[in-house]
Amino acid sequence: RKEVEQDPGPFNVPEGATVAFNCTYSNSASQSFFWYRQDCRKEPKLLMSVYSSGNEDGRFTAQLNRASQYISLLIRDSKLSDSATYLCVVKGNTGKLIFGQGTTLQVKP
Amino acid sequence: EPEVTQTPSHQVTQMGQEVILRCVPISNHLYFYWYRQILGQKVEFLVSFYNNEISEKSEIFDDQFSVERPDGSNFTLKIRSTKLEDSAMYFCASSEGTSEGHEQYFGPGTRLTVT
Repeated sequence: RKEVEQDPGPFNVPEGATVAFNCTYSNSASQSFFWYRQDCRKEPKLLMSVYSSGNEDGRFTAQLNRASQYISLLIRDSKLSDSATYLCVVKGNTGKLIFGQGTTLQVKP
Repeated sequence: EPEVTQTPSHQVTQMGQEVILRCVPISNHLYFYWYRQILGQKVEFLVSFYNNEISEKSEIFDDQFSVERPDGSNFTLKIRSTKLEDSAMYFCASSEGTSEGHEQYFGPGTRLTVT
């Protein structure tokens, strides 16, 4: 089983749509979780950390389900500028980041 | 806003040659990392570095690879004898710590092309 698994997509949605991405991780001892965004041939940029209680940042909501080892990201009111690859990331206990394959989002006018 | 910088942005080298990729982490950060991303694949951890020594390395980080912090600001990745399969984007990252709340910030990457 992959350490971090994501549906690669692509997800093609119209502007204004709501879209959800899911991710599963294999190590039940993992403590820290993140969503990063990566534009084509650029570096990953932190979008948001994911907490057990769930957290929201504007149009973005992240949820963590430890029992199911499942992380989600919800994007409301999609903008053209949201088009990117969204990386589910788990931090190992030594600090290294373990990345999923990424889910590609394409928002169309 | 402080940022991680990397040079060069693109390096072309012949198979068997040595390359050194350079990074300047954020100044108050203590933990440094190298990751790589082969085109079309996921970002993979190579090595972490703290207090002038390697904290952890992956299976990818074999004897051909080495890291160094030669002075107070630079953090380098050396590949001794490059292979075609070393062609990838190499990202440097740094963080203040490893616990929750200490995020890793990535540099813009060096694209390494081995011919």
